[in-house]
Amino acid sequence: KQEVTQIPAALSVPEGENLVLNCSFTDSAIYNLQWFRQDPGKGLTSLLLIQSSQREQTSGRLNASLDKSSGRSTLYIAASQPGDSATYLCAVLGGGGSQGNLIFGKGTKLSVKP
Amino acid sequence: EAGVVQSPRYKIIEKKQPVAFWCNPISGHNTLYWYRQNLGQGPELLIRYENEEAVDDSQLPKDRFSAERLKGVDSTLKIQPAELGDSAVYLCASSLGVDRGETQYFGPGTRLLVL
Repeated sequence: KQEVTQIPAALSVPEGENLVLNCSFTDSAIYNLQWFRQDPGKGLTSLLLIQSSQREQTSGRLNASLDKSSGRSTLYIAASQPGDSATYLCAVLGGGGSQGNLIFGKGTKLSVKP
Repeated sequence: EAGVVQSPRYKIIEKKQPVAFWCNPISGHNTLYWYRQNLGQGPELLIRYENEEAVDDSQLPKDRFSAERLKGVDSTLKIQPAELGDSAVYLCASSLGVDRGETQYFGPGTRLLVL
């Protein structure tokens, strides 16, 4: 069974800091990995999608890396801003008998203080 | 372009009562998903539709939950009767298909509280 773990569960940083969120998964036979953002009371917004053949993806101040063989991904946020405060969810597609469905971690709750 | 639409946004009911949630996916999206998200957890898939067909309902508690997607467009998820443990956010998502590169687009969710 595919399991996704995110560390840390919560993170509080001052504005302007660079930060890294971590995601690990137990079965490396994935098709892709996605990072989502969830604001309180809202749905999920896809931030970055990394195919299994790729090593990283970048969008603005966000950079996500994937090391499929070790079952790890990181989301790097540069020059954090208060507007980045949200819960960040990692999800993998495939592996562990998931039948092609997304398996999510529990998320990292980020708070960026002004 | 309109996103995934869900209604109602909030629902409070007493246990043993029925409840239904509605979802309208993005136009042209053939694949529709229902997820349940408990507090402090990531979403968990309940059912996935390809057009009108439920292709994966292995995580749907079929004794009390039912879903339908008539005409392959909008969908309804029903719980009857509701239990205290059903309190959660119910998220609907859609995608163009199940190709490995397709992104899922999520609606705002329905927040259910069972008293």
